[in-house]
Amino acid sequence: SAVISQKPSRDICQRGTSLTIQCQVDSQVTMMFWYRQQPGQSLTLIATANQGSEATYESGFVIDKFPISRPNLTFSTLTVSNMSPEDSSIYLCSVDHDRSRDTQYFGPGTRLTVL
Amino acid sequence: AQSVAQPEDQVNVAEGNPLTVKCTYSVSGNPYLFWYVQYPNRGLQFLLKYITGDNLVKGSYGFEAEFNKSQTSFHLKKPSALVSDSALYFCAVRDPTIIQGAQKLVFGQGTRLTINP
Repeated sequence: SAVISQKPSRDICQRGTSLTIQCQVDSQVTMMFWYRQQPGQSLTLIATANQGSEATYESGFVIDKFPISRPNLTFSTLTVSNMSPEDSSIYLCSVDHDRSRDTQYFGPGTRLTVL
Repeated sequence: AQSVAQPEDQVNVAEGNPLTVKCTYSVSGNPYLFWYVQYPNRGLQFLLKYITGDNLVKGSYGFEAEFNKSQTSFHLKKPSALVSDSALYFCAVRDPTIIQGAQKLVFGQGTRLTINP
């Protein structure tokens, strides 16, 4: 499986500010995904990020609020913009491993608290 | 659209007893089914999957799951529970036949498994 790291692991932010979360993979992967896990909830897909194209957002998520970059096949960022306390969640990136395309592997997550 | 239901928010089992964590799904095509485990302050770890073939699949840490197409279920099982199995378990499904978003994983609400010593 791929080794996935995320930065930061956690952060506490003020309302109205933005935070950029980084996701790094130890091998080249075609597809990367960003999920949100709100407190006590399940995971919800925010968007799919392919290298060289615009991210594809799920219903209820928009690019202005969650801009995503995918500059190469091993790296992606998710920005949470103009944050409010409702954005307090764990944000996880995952990859569709190219050798086992049917299985997604997840990073350790970024725990975000917005005051 | 695909969906997953985990009917039990919490399951409590005594150490050494068998455990079952239930999952039912709904997809229009043939499903790809997954179980993940989340330990406190850690990301999701992949446990096992069903894609095709034998209905009984074996995974990490002695876990197994049985795909039952007629009941649209994919229950997670382990013959003898360990205290270290205590964690949050998620069932997930994807429908590989849909054109848009075929890679999308849809998760159940999660089941908190507690193994009592």
